[in-house]
Amino acid sequence: EDKVVQSPLSLVVHEGDTVTLNCSYEVTNFRSLLWYKQEKKAPTFLFMLTSSGIEKKSGRLSSILDKKELFSILNITATQTGDSAIYLCAVGYGGSQGNLIFGKGTKLSVKP
Amino acid sequence: DTEVTQTPKHLVMGMTNKKSLKCEQHMGHRAMYWYKQKAKKPPELMFVYSYEKLSINESVPSRFSPECPNSSLLNLHLHALQPEDSALYLCASSHDRDSIYGYTFGSGTRLTVV
Repeated sequence: EDKVVQSPLSLVVHEGDTVTLNCSYEVTNFRSLLWYKQEKKAPTFLFMLTSSGIEKKSGRLSSILDKKELFSILNITATQTGDSAIYLCAVGYGGSQGNLIFGKGTKLSVKP
Repeated sequence: DTEVTQTPKHLVMGMTNKKSLKCEQHMGHRAMYWYKQKAKKPPELMFVYSYEKLSINESVPSRFSPECPNSSLLNLHLHALQPEDSALYLCASSHDRDSIYGYTFGSGTRLTVV
């Protein structure tokens, strides 16, 4: 059965800390891996990863994919209270990248 | 325009009501999706439309009926729902089914069934 597993499920840190969120997957015919940030409403897109070993960066956030070991990490440096959210990992699989299977998310809480 | 617009933002309906959720995008995307998200759970795929044709129905009950009148619009018709159908309903679109390029979610409709 296809699955996406995120860890930890929840995390509490203080402002300025660096965090690493994990996403491992077992899917048939992997196509791509996406990271989303979800606050109160819809998930907002962070990164899409298709190739191993190539780091994607956006400000304090970065992510990398390891297709051999079947996982991805999302790093957030110098965390701020505005980073508090649920971070979702989703994998596009099968005959179409449009099919996404989501992990359960990591709830990040950043304390002042 | 790089948005997916969903209306209404909130909806309360009785179990005998008929209502519709609407989703619109003007990015030229040819794939559109409906997801259901319960509290503290990840989104679950309900329907996929590709070039205005339904291509996946993930065993969703018939009280949910999707419709894609044209390439920019996606509706979800609701009839005889149950309280357990209360959830956040998310619409998304992408360039097409074979590309996640531009995969974008709408802000969702928060549905409460009473």
